[in-house]
Amino acid sequence: AQSVTQLGSHVSVSEGALVLLRCNYSSSVPPYLFWYVQYPNQGLQLLLKYTTGATLVKGINGFEAEFKKSETSFHLTKPSAHMSDAAEYFCAVTLYNNNDMRFGAGTRLTVKP
Amino acid sequence: EAQVTQNPRYLITVTGKKLTVTCSQNMNHEYMSWYRQDPGLGLRQIYYSMNVEVTDKGDVPEGYKVSRKEKRNFPLILESPSPNQTSLYFCASMSGSGNTIYFGEGSWLTVV
Repeated sequence: AQSVTQLGSHVSVSEGALVLLRCNYSSSVPPYLFWYVQYPNQGLQLLLKYTTGATLVKGINGFEAEFKKSETSFHLTKPSAHMSDAAEYFCAVTLYNNNDMRFGAGTRLTVKP
Repeated sequence: EAQVTQNPRYLITVTGKKLTVTCSQNMNHEYMSWYRQDPGLGLRQIYYSMNVEVTDKGDVPEGYKVSRKEKRNFPLILESPSPNQTSLYFCASMSGSGNTIYFGEGSWLTVV
């Protein structure tokens, strides 16, 4: 079965600094990969997704992620962090031939002034 | 508007008192799923359903039941809730292509 591992349960950056949240996946067939964000006391919001085609995917709020098959990774980046980016971020994976979505344990992003 | 609706959103109950969390979607999706979210553990799948009358266990099914009698509804049943089922629960549905998942707003459940 497919799975994802998020490296680092907590990441802290300064405002204006690069944000890098790491996600590695495991699957036997081509994966569909997702990043979700959860703000305090709210549900999950889709940031971006990779299904097929271009491996660099741009999402909302200035985030992007790159699918690297050779590294089985789908890291999330943002060039310059804003205070409003403070939230919990989840990487998730499904397979092209099923709808069984699996989530990582989440990474809590803190942005310092 | 595409929607997944869960009820109740907030509930405090006592150990052993049966409860049901309802979930309804208006997108005619075949696939629906229940997750629980706990600190440091992310979202863990409880049960999922590929279609009407087709359900299967996820990673943490113990203490839960589900039913899928019609496509739009996928209720989560706690026959005898225990304090370790205190959690935030999300219902989700997914399009047939498997690349768009819609979440409900979540249900906060506390079992005392």
